[in-house]
Order: sequence, then structure tokens, then C-alpha cells
Amino acid sequence: RKEVEQDPGPFNVPEGATVAFNCTYSNSASQSFFWYRQDCRKEPKLLMSVYSSGNEDGRFTAQLNRASQYISLLIRDSKLSDSATYLCVVNREYSGGGADGLTFGKGTHLIIQP
Amino acid sequence: GAVVSQHPSRVICKSGTSVKIECRSLDFQATTMFWYRQFPKQSLMLMATSNEGSKATYEQGVEKDKFLINHASLTLSTLTVTSAHPEDSSFYICSASARIRGTDTQYFGPGTRLTVL
Repeated sequence: RKEVEQDPGPFNVPEGATVAFNCTYSNSASQSFFWYRQDCRKEPKLLMSVYSSGNEDGRFTAQLNRASQYISLLIRDSKLSDSATYLCVVNREYSGGGADGLTFGKGTHLIIQP
Repeated sequence: GAVVSQHPSRVICKSGTSVKIECRSLDFQATTMFWYRQFPKQSLMLMATSNEGSKATYEQGVEKDKFLINHASLTLSTLTVTSAHPEDSSFYICSASARIRGTDTQYFGPGTRLTVL
């Protein structure tokens, strides 16, 4: 089983629609979860962290289900500028404290159509 | 805030040469920096974890003698690809970790696209 699995898409969605992405992770010891966005040939940019209680940032809502090891991202009122690859990311928990490296999913490609 | 720079952004070199990539955290200190690599249509893969003042921790399958990492200060880590070969051609991205709302969050540099001829 891959460490972080995502549907690669592409998701073709009309502007203004709501779109949801899901991902599953295999490491039950993971403690930190994120959604990053990556544009073509660019570095990943943090979209939002994902907290156990769920969190919302404008049009974006992220949720975490630890029991099912499942993370979701909802985008409401999608804009053309939302077109990108969305990366589901979890930390690789090492013992000894300190920051951990990240495990990335392969990403879900989103295309917003006018 | 939390800006990470990387230099150079693009490098083309001949097979057998060494290439040095710099990663800097511009407005914060980062005890830990990370080096990733991304091949076309693949996900980012962690290569190594770089801690200031100590030896880097390499992921399985990453040769430490080929990918030399130095983290001399809290704002600078370097990756040197020694004796580069065409199969080392890739997008190399660094990140620096900052603690935001109790969570270690990584901010990425703009990446270095390496092409080995």
C-alpha cells in the first residue's frame, strides 16, 4: 500500500462549482497533515494544515478522519486560478522530536473550466 | 513571512561534474531543512533531513557520498551533487521548517532544475 494515496484525476470542473478531493495515508503514527498546491514546474505552496477538528480558510475546508486515515479537501465556488495539482501531505514521524520529513501523495490534478 | 530561497534556479552541466545548490531561509531560522527530489509526473521524494550543526539523515536508497549536505547555519543548507550523471537530472527542492500554531510546517524553496548532459 502506498504511503499516501490520491486520485490523480484530472478533475475537470466548471467555474463556480464545488469540488472535493480525498486521500488516504498508511502510517497511523502520522501527526501532521497538510494540503499543498503545486503549479506546473513550480515548488509546492502550503494551502492549509489539517487539524483533527477540521478547519476552514475562505473557500477551502479540510477534514481529517484519524480512524479511517483519511483526509479531505473541499473547494467551494471554484475559480480559474484554482487550477493546479493538489498534494496531500503527511509527516513521517520519527522518534526523538524535531521536525519530520514529509510524505507526499502524487497529487490530484484540478482543471477549472470557464 | 517564511520565505525560502534557492540558488541556482536552473543548471545544466556535463556528466561527471559537481553541482552545488544553496537553500536559505530568509526571514526565519530553521534548525531543520529538508531536501526533496521530483522526477517528471512523480511525487516529491524526501532525500535527506539536514539539521544545523550535525550530519544529515539520508533516506533509504539515497547515497550520502553522492549527495553531500552541509547545514552550516540556521539559515543555510547546501546540497552538492557529486559526479553528476544524466539519471541525476531532476527537480531538487529544499524546505525549511517553522513552527506555526504548534505544528512544524515546511516552506519550500522555488526549486533547482538540474539537467546533466
